[in-house]
Amino acid sequence: SQKIEQNSEALNIQEGKTATLTCNYTNYSPAYLQWYRQDPGRGPVFLLLIRENEKEKRKERLKVTFDTTLKQSLFHITASQPADSATYLCAFYSGNTPLVFGKGTRLSVIA
Amino acid sequence: DADVTQTPRNRITKTGKRIMLECSQTKGHDRMYWYRQDPGLGLRLIYYSFDVKDINKGEISDGYSVSRQAQAKFSLSLESAIPNQTALYFCATSDPQMGRTGELFFGEGSRLTVL
Repeated sequence: SQKIEQNSEALNIQEGKTATLTCNYTNYSPAYLQWYRQDPGRGPVFLLLIRENEKEKRKERLKVTFDTTLKQSLFHITASQPADSATYLCAFYSGNTPLVFGKGTRLSVIA
Repeated sequence: DADVTQTPRNRITKTGKRIMLECSQTKGHDRMYWYRQDPGLGLRLIYYSFDVKDINKGEISDGYSVSRQAQAKFSLSLESAIPNQTALYFCATSDPQMGRTGELFFGEGSRLTVL
């Protein structure tokens, strides 16, 4: 079955640096990937969607890439701030079932 | 007011008790979902419903049941709660007009502890 993996459970980064989070999947390439942000004790909030025919998508300081050869999506936060500290989840549809989520990467931006 | 509202937000119960978690939404979406979140395991799908007459099992439906009372309401029941059902439960909705690309809108979560 299709699996989705977020390699790092936790990532610490200095304020102002670029944070890069990785999402890998097995088997077939999904038509698209979604990225969500989750703050402690809160529900996830949608950030970005990227389709398989899109190499890159940007929204303000966020950038997502999709490499179907590597079976990987990278999520970048440029000029990171302490307020960016949260858990980031990637997700996609697996076959006809609703969104399958990775376990998430907890990002801490240190001032 | 939140678009997706879950009640209760926190609940402590004992093994063997019947528990219902309720979800209501004002977004007018047909599609509703129940996920469970555990540390280290991420979000896992329990049940989902694409319209009032449609109910589907997700990855981890054993020990759970659901009821779709109306377009806006989707309830999750634990008929006989057990300690390993202690988790954070999320209800979510999505817009069918967006199809498979539609983002999910989550509630604030219901934290359940089974002693």
